[in-house]
Amino acid sequence: AIQLTQSPSSLSASVGDRVSITCRASQGISSALAWYQQKPGKAPKLLIYDASSLESGVPSRFSGSGSGTEFTLTITSLQPEDFATYYCQQFNNYPLYTFGQGTKLEIK
Amino acid sequence: EVQLVESGGGLIQPGGSLRLSCAVSGFTVSYKYMSWVRQAPGKGLEWVSVIHSGAGTSYADSVKGRFTISRDNSKNTVYLQMNSLRAEDTAVYYCARVVATPEGGAFDIWGQGTRVTVSS
Repeated sequence: AIQLTQSPSSLSASVGDRVSITCRASQGISSALAWYQQKPGKAPKLLIYDASSLESGVPSRFSGSGSGTEFTLTITSLQPEDFATYYCQQFNNYPLYTFGQGTKLEIK
Repeated sequence: EVQLVESGGGLIQPGGSLRLSCAVSGFTVSYKYMSWVRQAPGKGLEWVSVIHSGAGTSYADSVKGRFTISRDNSKNTVYLQMNSLRAEDTAVYYCARVVATPEGGAFDIWGQGTRVTVSS
């Protein structure tokens, strides 16, 4: 089974900062990767699909890149509402839709 | 409006059974892949199961043989029958729609979740 490892597991940043979160796959998954944002007590929200495609309605400060085994979610100019936990998920090893372990983004 | 509403969670003893429901509005469930995802307290997301538009099903190893996903097209509802429940099945269970994309897919619509607690 394909495993996804996110780094870091947590990070602290300030409003206005640029941050990046990495997701590494245990084997190549082409561009079959999605990113989600989850706030406490809420369901996850789709941000990015196919590694770099922005979901409709998601602010353009969110972007995704990568292919194969290494992927990055970048948030430019952090806003207060961006402090949340972020997960990657792979869709290459159908139908086992594995998630990464999550990255908690906290206010510094 | 596209909406998924889960129900059926609660407190259940180890070894017991529970059926979760995911009532769908705004699209026809039989035309889509639908999935269940769970999140144990303080933990990350874990994919549980998927039902295909053709009614084929797949499961995570952790629930295979104990959980069954199904759907009722007349009620536009997806179900998760959970048997032989264990303490480690304690989680919030989310229903999600799987959307096909050029490279693979994504879970684009999620319900609000229903909490399952397995404890004596």
